[in-house]
Amino acid sequence: NAGVTQTPKFQVLKTGQSMTLQCAQDMNHEYMSWYRQDPGMGLRLIHYSVGAGITDQGEVPNGYNVSRSTTEDFPLRLLSAAPSQTSVYFCASSRNAYTEAFFGQGTRLTVV
Amino acid sequence: GEDVEQSLFLSVREGDSSVINCTYTDSSSTYLYWYKQEPGAGLQLLTYIFSNMDMKQDQRLTVLLNKKDKHLSLRIADTQTGDSAIYFCAEKDDYKLSFGAGTTVTVRA
Repeated sequence: NAGVTQTPKFQVLKTGQSMTLQCAQDMNHEYMSWYRQDPGMGLRLIHYSVGAGITDQGEVPNGYNVSRSTTEDFPLRLLSAAPSQTSVYFCASSRNAYTEAFFGQGTRLTVV
Repeated sequence: GEDVEQSLFLSVREGDSSVINCTYTDSSSTYLYWYKQEPGAGLQLLTYIFSNMDMKQDQRLTVLLNKKDKHLSLRIADTQTGDSAIYFCAEKDDYKLSFGAGTTVTVRA
């Protein structure tokens, strides 16, 4: 049972480039979310999904898009990378609103 | 997140107890969590407490909840070098977790 898998683990982008961070879970969880972690700020919610076909914005959604075409996958797209998006990104999933959230290992993104 | 506050650093001697404190603002939170993050790794759920409980003990971990003051604490007994990590307090409102900034715990010999 792999849990929550994020790829890639590390990525360096140039300003203006686009890319997609992948997140997949094999636990049949309905809820999935993306967070970014910055020093001294904890984790902040970017986007979340309560099920396939349903997504919504979190606390810091600007510059990011998401889609949820399947229960398993929840990719995060950076449309035009900016240095302010340099961060560590975590994907999480949970069975429902009231159960434990499982986190991926994170993607460390640097935008130069 | 601004709704959950923790002190940023804690240094503790090996074998002593560690106490990490957290305050939160959302009185409707039904669950409060403690996560541990080791260097270069994701977040691992350590323990959680329901909002109708005052205390929860799990081996070396004791969670205390004071709902009146919106104060949560995590006590680690007999702290070991493997306990060195960042500890996050989080409150859950429906699907959304709100995290504190994290407390970096350093265990010294």
